[in-house]
Amino acid sequence: DGGITQSPKYLFRKEGQNVTLSCEQNLNHDAMYWYRQDPGQGLRLIYYSQIVNDFQKGDIAEGYSVSREKKESFPLTVTSAQKNPTAFYLCASSAGVLGPQHFGDGTRLSIL
Amino acid sequence: GENVEQHPSTLSVQEGDSAVIKCTYSDSASNYFPWYKQELGKGPQLIIDIRSNVGEKKDQRIAVTLNKTAKHFSLHITETQPEDSAVYFCAASINLQGTALIFGKGTTLSVSS
Repeated sequence: DGGITQSPKYLFRKEGQNVTLSCEQNLNHDAMYWYRQDPGQGLRLIYYSQIVNDFQKGDIAEGYSVSREKKESFPLTVTSAQKNPTAFYLCASSAGVLGPQHFGDGTRLSIL
Repeated sequence: GENVEQHPSTLSVQEGDSAVIKCTYSDSASNYFPWYKQELGKGPQLIIDIRSNVGEKKDQRIAVTLNKTAKHFSLHITETQPEDSAVYFCAASINLQGTALIFGKGTTLSVSS
């Protein structure tokens, strides 16, 4: 089945550690996105990429980094510079600039 | 900055009643407005969307209306069922370096039987 796979579903990080969240899609979509969701909040855009080897900062990019070396993959690294990393992270993709975005089932990151 | 306001934050209805969720947006250049349904522990699922060249779109029990002059759009669910219970998010397109979506804070809909 075509879709977006995020792994792992739950992730724990120690203070001062970097951690990488995986996002893979087999929909042949050009654009991919990372959002952060906090309780009672909407989705806030961290980074997005509209084509391989190119990506742009969203509203809350500080403390995060991404890469887009392959069309199907858009990993997100939460660095130690992110002071409040505990959240639900969602990855999405779309066929084009204004195509509908399809979401994965998220990764819940917690700090030990 | 640009934002999307969504109301109400919670909505409780009886099975069979209608539910209406409203959103307003600030960027007059927005031209794409999707609605998502999110169940607990899952990612949001697109349920309906509308583009700025139409005023209304319907898909079975779900409809969306758009008023570009007033910069607001609404989701209407008729004949609600318990399985409609979820968190609903509206979103509007914004032009950053490219195009992305800005989301409302969500509405928790509870449908009781």
